[in-house]
Amino acid sequence: NAGVTQTPKFQVLKTGQSMTLQCAQDMNHEYMSWYRQDPGMGLRLIHYSVGAGITDQGEVPNGYNVSRSTTEDFPLRLLSAAPSQTSVYFCASRGLGLTGELFFGEGSRLTVL
Amino acid sequence: DAKTTQPPSMDCAEGRAANLPCNHSTISGNEYVYWYRQIHSQGPQYIIHGLKNNETNEMASLIITEDRKSSTLILPHATLRDTAVYYCIVRGYNNDMRFGAGTRLTVKP
Repeated sequence: NAGVTQTPKFQVLKTGQSMTLQCAQDMNHEYMSWYRQDPGMGLRLIHYSVGAGITDQGEVPNGYNVSRSTTEDFPLRLLSAAPSQTSVYFCASRGLGLTGELFFGEGSRLTVL
Repeated sequence: DAKTTQPPSMDCAEGRAANLPCNHSTISGNEYVYWYRQIHSQGPQYIIHGLKNNETNEMASLIITEDRKSSTLILPHATLRDTAVYYCIVRGYNNDMRFGAGTRLTVKP
């Protein structure tokens, strides 16, 4: 099992450009989520999904869109990148249930100039 | 989900036990206490979780007070590789996992 795979690992964008961060998991997990982590801070939840076709907002959803067309994939879209979105992005997944462990990807470092 | 309070930083001598405290005074009856850690800029790693009883696994022990308003993560013999940011999180059924600032543990030789 590869676990949670994120691509790309590094990306530089110009203000106003759009892009998609990809996240895939091969553990058949229903729950998937995206976090961002700014320097010296903890992780903040952007969006999450409890299954295909179901998404919801987290703590900091503005400027980001998500969709969940399959169990395996949960892409994060930046429609018009801003310098404030410079951050490290982590995707995570777990099974539904009371005690599911959250598995994280290696992160995607995004810089918006 | 209940909020948690952790000290921003702690030091520990290599080979000694590291005791990391967490306050969660507003925890409700069906909410679990989870601990994760993050080494450098890697994705967080699960350590342990518990509801009301003390728990132990190969990585750590979790001690939850009887009133469940606080807990302590114990790394019994800390090594340099345990230097990391440790997050205490309270989560109910299917709720999101929301991370605070955590405790930066530095293990010193």
